[in-house]
Amino acid sequence: EVQLVESGGDLVQPGRSLRLSCTTSGFTFGDYAMSWCRQAPGKGLEWLGFIRSKAYGVTTEYAASVKGRFTISRDDSKSIVYLQMNSLKTEDTAVYYCTRGEWLIDYWGQGTLVTVSS
Amino acid sequence: DIQMTQSPSTLSASVGDRITITCRASQSISGRLAWFQQKPGQAPKLLIYKASTLESGVPSRFSGSGSGTEFTLTISSLQPDDFATYYCQQYDSYSTFGQGTKVEIK
Repeated sequence: EVQLVESGGDLVQPGRSLRLSCTTSGFTFGDYAMSWCRQAPGKGLEWLGFIRSKAYGVTTEYAASVKGRFTISRDDSKSIVYLQMNSLKTEDTAVYYCTRGEWLIDYWGQGTLVTVSS
Repeated sequence: DIQMTQSPSTLSASVGDRITITCRASQSISGRLAWFQQKPGQAPKLLIYKASTLESGVPSRFSGSGSGTEFTLTISSLQPDDFATYYCQQYDSYSTFGQGTKVEIK
C-alpha cells in the first residue's frame, strides 16, 4: 500500500523558513517523481512543484507563485522528499500535501498544516 | 498560465441522481485532464485521468469525457459516499486545478 506521511508543519513568523518532510513507503521511491501541493483554509488546491527521479536527472519544476522561495529535494536512500520554504508569507498558510507524480498526481498524503502569522 | 473553470460551484442532488460537472480550460490541454474527489478533512483521491480513464478501484458510476477545452465528470447514480468536493486538474502545461464543485445533499 502506497503511504505518504508529511511532517514538519508548524506556526512560523512571516519571513522565516520551514522545512517539510514526507516519508514514503509501499512503492519503489527512486522510480517516481514526487511533488507538493497545498490548500489554503477553505480554499482550493494549488500545485507547487515536483522533483523528477534520478533516471530523469533529479530536475525540478515550480509554480510561479513559489519559484525562488521554495525548493524540493529528495533522499532516495531514505525514501523521503523535502520541501524547503523560505521567506514565508501569510498567504503561504495552508495544508501542505506530499504527492506522487510529476504533472499528474496519483497519491496524496494526509497533509501537514503550516501557519504563517506574527 | 492555463486557467481551469469549473461549474457549478455547488450542486444539490439526491441519492440516485445523475449529475454532471463541467471543467473548461483557457486553452487546449490535449486531454491531459484529471478529476479528484475530496471529502472534509481528507486528502484528494484520483478518480479519472487522461480525461476518461478510470483509476483502478474507482466505481464505474464515475465517468469522464471531453476534449480540447471542455470536459465533464458524470456520476450516473449518486451514492451517499459521493457527497464531496470535486476538482479538475490540467497537467498539459505545468499544473492547475479548478476551483472545485461541492456536491451536497438536496
